[in-house]
Amino acid sequence: GQNIDQPTEMTATEGAIVQINCTYQTSGFNGLFWYQQHAGEAPTFLSYNVLDGLEEKGRFSSFLSRSKGYSYLLLKELQMKDSASYLCARAGLNTDKLIFGTGTRLQVFP
Amino acid sequence: EAQVTQNPRYLITVTGKKLTVTCSQNMNHEYMSWYRQDPGLGLRQIYYSMNVEVTDKGDVPEGYKVSRKEKRNFPLILESPSPNQTSLYFCASSLGPLGSPLHFGNGTRLTVT
Repeated sequence: GQNIDQPTEMTATEGAIVQINCTYQTSGFNGLFWYQQHAGEAPTFLSYNVLDGLEEKGRFSSFLSRSKGYSYLLLKELQMKDSASYLCARAGLNTDKLIFGTGTRLQVFP
Repeated sequence: EAQVTQNPRYLITVTGKKLTVTCSQNMNHEYMSWYRQDPGLGLRQIYYSMNVEVTDKGDVPEGYKVSRKEKRNFPLILESPSPNQTSLYFCASSLGPLGSPLHFGNGTRLTVT
């Protein structure tokens, strides 16, 4: 989907830290979203980055490097309820479209 | 409660029988959009609307129609459904397409036999 790449699956242990990466096409870039989607449910908004750097929201942080076309979502102190798919989505300049990656399915084990 | 409501949640139909999936939001959002979600393909945009009477094609519009006669409603119409339209559909709304988070409905699982 227009050059948005993220790993398909990841696993981690309860209490650990996991980093989910997302790379995207840099031309015409205007911001990057992260959404969480539990199985069978609707996606819910986690974060939005438009400037370079790290933004922290409790156990979740999101990082953006505009020049490298790279973002990551960092989840700390993992809990079982964090088992879900994590979707990155790219907003473009001069377009009303939001393009989603295929999502990273995270499984947290006890 | 601020929400996006889409109906029905589940729908099984036959090829060629016209159907409509309704979507309504109570947040006075200008931007509304329809996505379909398929395994391995992620969320793909079907149609979107920037405001009343303004609609545009997304990445996979073939076989679908939409209308935006009122700000709160954005129905998805399948005039002649086919089995390849079997999918999970999400309606979403936001203040605008850039920088504003999308609020999603609970999804409609459509099966076309």
